[in-house]
Amino acid sequence: QSALTQPASVSGSPGQSITISCTGTTSDIGGYSYVSWYQQHPGKAPKLIIYEVSIRPSGVSNRFSGSKSGNTASLTISGLQTDDEADYYCSSYTSSSAVVFGGGTKLTVL
Amino acid sequence: QVQLVESGGGLVKPGGSLRLSCAASGFRFSDYYMTWIRQAPGKGLEWISHISMSGSTFYADSVEGRFTISRDNAKNSLFLQMNGLSTEDTAMYYCARSSTPSRSPGARGIDYWGQGALVTVSS
Repeated sequence: QSALTQPASVSGSPGQSITISCTGTTSDIGGYSYVSWYQQHPGKAPKLIIYEVSIRPSGVSNRFSGSKSGNTASLTISGLQTDDEADYYCSSYTSSSAVVFGGGTKLTVL
Repeated sequence: QVQLVESGGGLVKPGGSLRLSCAASGFRFSDYYMTWIRQAPGKGLEWISHISMSGSTFYADSVEGRFTISRDNAKNSLFLQMNGLSTEDTAMYYCARSSTPSRSPGARGIDYWGQGALVTVSS
């Protein structure tokens, strides 16, 4: 159950787009279309923003989109806003019916 | 509205035990997988366990054999019995609900989280 690999940090300017990658193995990301993404602001509980690779829950902005290729999933945020500054975590279902998270990526909106 | 309220956190010595509880309301508890996730200070999220509606359990390697998850559907409650605690178990522990009835948290994600219960393991 090794953690998924995410970049420690990414940054962008308001209005720009950024992409956060999340790399796993054939036993998790590569084997299933069960990748979720969470946004966490400091001191708050995480918020689900993407599930099943690319589906947005009701109420989540369409500026957030997800995709997957092989063992790597990606989260793209378009039209960056200052409120997007937060930590982002990916997660995946695994072959042992467990859940694995990525290490998290800190997004800074410059 | 959905509410998850954890209790039972606190300070415990290495090797000690603690039992966390989570009181759920605002939804049909017996229809959902429930999950415990922890976050060490300044660190990322770590899934530690989840339980199906009927009581099938799943654990992270880091807690297997030391932690036990359970639920009482009649009382809308989730529990986490933690034994053999070490300093590495110091974290905020969140009770959380799968986003879709009858679906694993790994499949459809987690949509509701409690406020967390702080567990500190220190001598």
